[in-house]
Parts: sequence; structure tokens; C-alpha cells
Amino acid sequence: AQTVTQSQPEMSVQEAETVTLSCTYDTSESNYYLFWYKQPPSRQMILVIRQEAYKQQNATENRFSVNFQKAAKSFSLKISDSQLGDTAMYFCAFMIYTGANSKLTFGKGITLSVRP
Amino acid sequence: DGGITQSPKYLFRKEGQNVTLSCEQNLNHDAMYWYRQDPGQGLRLIYYSQIVNDFQKGDIAEGYSVSREKKESFPLTVTSAQKNPTAFYLCASSPPGHLSSGANVLTFGAGSRLTVL
Repeated sequence: AQTVTQSQPEMSVQEAETVTLSCTYDTSESNYYLFWYKQPPSRQMILVIRQEAYKQQNATENRFSVNFQKAAKSFSLKISDSQLGDTAMYFCAFMIYTGANSKLTFGKGITLSVRP
Repeated sequence: DGGITQSPKYLFRKEGQNVTLSCEQNLNHDAMYWYRQDPGQGLRLIYYSQIVNDFQKGDIAEGYSVSREKKESFPLTVTSAQKNPTAFYLCASSPPGHLSSGANVLTFGAGSRLTVL
């Protein structure tokens, strides 16, 4: 079974600074996808960034980037120039693509607070 | 606009009652999912369906049932057998294919909050 671990339940960062959220996963598969989702206080889940395991290049989306270490099974999210609107719960997620039976497994999440 | 609609947003249930949460999508996605969210637990998969008239149990299916009679709809019934149903329920959908084309990226509804009185 695949597991996703987010060991930090809460983090806080000053506005305009950089913060890194950690995520590790466990799998015996070699082809899979990794995601970070954001859940603001409205509770609407929003995709932040995604990474395919076969790609060595780390994904980036504007102020968001990942540090994907396949051998270490680590997938951390870096948020640069933090903004108040980044305050949310962040979930790391993992999917093995098997065609008909793909499903997403989530970590327990980390609550990020951005201080003004 | 395309999206996923969950209803009702808030639902109260008496013990022993079955309730059904609605999930409708107009994204033409093949796959649909139901997740349960509890404080400190993250999202846990209840059921998922990749095609019409077919669905699979997730990690916590006991006490729940689903149907997938139409591509657009994936209702979840919380039965009286679910011992602790108070939670936030999220429905999601995704298209098939390769990730680079946007496939397997889940789009979520706004959620339904179920409270047992």
C-alpha cells in the first residue's frame, strides 16, 4: 500500500519570505504522479502543482516549486514571496496511474499561516 | 462554467437515518471520487468510479454506498451502518489520459458538511 507522510502539522511564515513544506511517500512503483493541493478557509481544494515521477526536472508554477528527490521518496513544496492568500491547509498527494484503477492518496496535511 | 456541484452544503441527520449526498459534474470527466475529511486525518477515499455502471471501494467504504448510472452523477449514500458519519465530504472528478494533458488531475466540488444529531 502507498502511504504519504506530512510530518509537520503546522507552519508559520512571514509575508514575503520563503517557506518549504515537507512530504515523503512510500511505494514500490516506479511510475507515479505527485501533487500538492491547497485548501483555503473556504475549503475548496485547489491544485497547486504536479510532478510526473519519470521527469527529473522539478516542476514550477509561478511562486511555487517542488524539490523532487525520487531516490529519497521526498516531494517538498517551496513557496516563495509568501502572500497572505497562501494561508491554507496544504496536502501532498500520490497517484499510481494504472489506467482503470487510478486513485489519489493524500497525506494528513499541513496548516500554513502567513503573518502580515 | 464547467465544474462540480455538491449538494446540500450542510446536512443534519438523526441517528439511524440514511442520507444521500449529491455530486454532479459537467466537465465530461470519466472518473469520479468521494473523499471524507476529518480534522487531523487528511482526505480518505470512500469510493471511486472510472466508468459508468462500475465503481470500486476505497479505503473506508464501510457504511457507505454509491451508484454511477450516469457519467455526470455519482451520489453517495451514508447509511445507518456508518458509525461516525459526522464529517466533511468532498466529491472530485478527473479526465483519463496522461498527466501532461491535464488528465488524472482531480477537480473538487465545494464539499458537503454532514452532522449527526
